[in-house]
Amino acid sequence: DTEVTQTPKHLVMGMTNKKSLKCEQHMGHRAMYWYKQKAKKPPELMFVYSYEKLSINESVPSRFSPECPNSSLLNLHLHALQPEDSALYLCASSGRDRGTDTQYFGPGTRLTVL
Amino acid sequence: GNSVTQMEGPVTLSEEAFLTINCTYTATGYPSLFWYVQYPGEGLQLLLKATKADDKGSNKGFEATYRKETTSFHLEKGSVQVSDSAVYFCALTNDPGNQFYFGTGTSLTVIP
Repeated sequence: DTEVTQTPKHLVMGMTNKKSLKCEQHMGHRAMYWYKQKAKKPPELMFVYSYEKLSINESVPSRFSPECPNSSLLNLHLHALQPEDSALYLCASSGRDRGTDTQYFGPGTRLTVL
Repeated sequence: GNSVTQMEGPVTLSEEAFLTINCTYTATGYPSLFWYVQYPGEGLQLLLKATKADDKGSNKGFEATYRKETTSFHLEKGSVQVSDSAVYFCALTNDPGNQFYFGTGTSLTVIP
């Protein structure tokens, strides 16, 4: 099973709201990722967790706050977002698969900030 | 550093036409190479991969061969279908920090 799940599928929020995106994988992967994707663009890396510790933060604004409660779960807490933060947010995990690190993506959360 | 360059799109083909999407890379060491496909409104799905020089990855009629001498990993399919319409991303990893590097994506539309 190479499934990464994400909830919710869609989210609409105002600029003063606080919300969270959730991601889960049960492949035993030790690396988990958050990406932001705008229309017709490649995924843009935001955060990487390796063995439940934040290893990469690509200078993401503090209104995005990641959390990795355990090796299967990854959250992204959202607060005071701007309309330009509207995008598809993708979670991914990676692990060894037939000899090479391979990344698997969830279906994404479509976020709209009003 | 690591980077991936893909051919610019969009690409429009008739059903049953031959597809090539070019991908070249720059990397230190010996990267693993991937093609991902993204259908409208969905996440990225792994299409195929190759881990060393001259390896051929294949899946669903798509193929790509890891060419170290030309630092390329071109995606091919002999006969495309309407259902292949999607955006295709070439990617690599060789990073012990678990980072993956993506090309800009190539949008493919197949018309009946």
